[in-house]
Amino acid sequence: KNEVEQSPQNLTAQEGEFITINCSYSVGISALHWLQQHPGGGIVSLFMLSSGKKKHGRLIATINIQEKHSSLHITASHPRDSAVYICAVRLQGGSEKLVFGKGTKLTVNP
Amino acid sequence: NAGVTQTPKFRILKIGQSMTLQCAQDMNHNYMYWYRQDPGMGLKLIYYSVGAGITDKGEVPNGYNVSRSTTEYFPLRLELAAPSQTSVYFCASSYLSVRNYGYTFGSGTRLTVV
Repeated sequence: KNEVEQSPQNLTAQEGEFITINCSYSVGISALHWLQQHPGGGIVSLFMLSSGKKKHGRLIATINIQEKHSSLHITASHPRDSAVYICAVRLQGGSEKLVFGKGTKLTVNP
Repeated sequence: NAGVTQTPKFRILKIGQSMTLQCAQDMNHNYMYWYRQDPGMGLKLIYYSVGAGITDKGEVPNGYNVSRSTTEYFPLRLELAAPSQTSVYFCASSYLSVRNYGYTFGSGTRLTVV
């Protein structure tokens, strides 16, 4: 079993819909990252969380440390949000290692 | 501000050939990383560096070498290329450590070994 599991693997939505992508992990962490990988392959760091909630524009990320679960929400989705969204966790203990999920491929249709 | 620059973007190697993937950052980040991304899999850490002159192995270092003679450059060397090294390679950097800051990624190098 992977240490970081994302769901769903693939998600198709209509423009304007509210999107939720989930990330569960089974190890102790010091931080969790959400990344966006564009269709061309480039990767952008969206959020780094160690507790609570962060918001940037139409993107909201939450984390529940006790339940070892994080969600990424996109409000009023747009075709330009189509990308692969990747969850990664930073292990406890000062390690430089990030453990990555396999990603959720989001397609938003006009 | 160029961020993290990787070259080349694409490369085809024959089995047994060698090559160096270049990575440069102009943000004065002290931490730099090399990851590989295989189809349908999460990124895996190959090597990382916490500053000039200091490098350390990640999860999948076999078949690779790195050096960090300056803050700006962190090249990845493949010796004796094998088909298993066919992948997309990403260089990334961060300031201090990812415990405090997020990453900046390069645009990737797609490598095929035939």
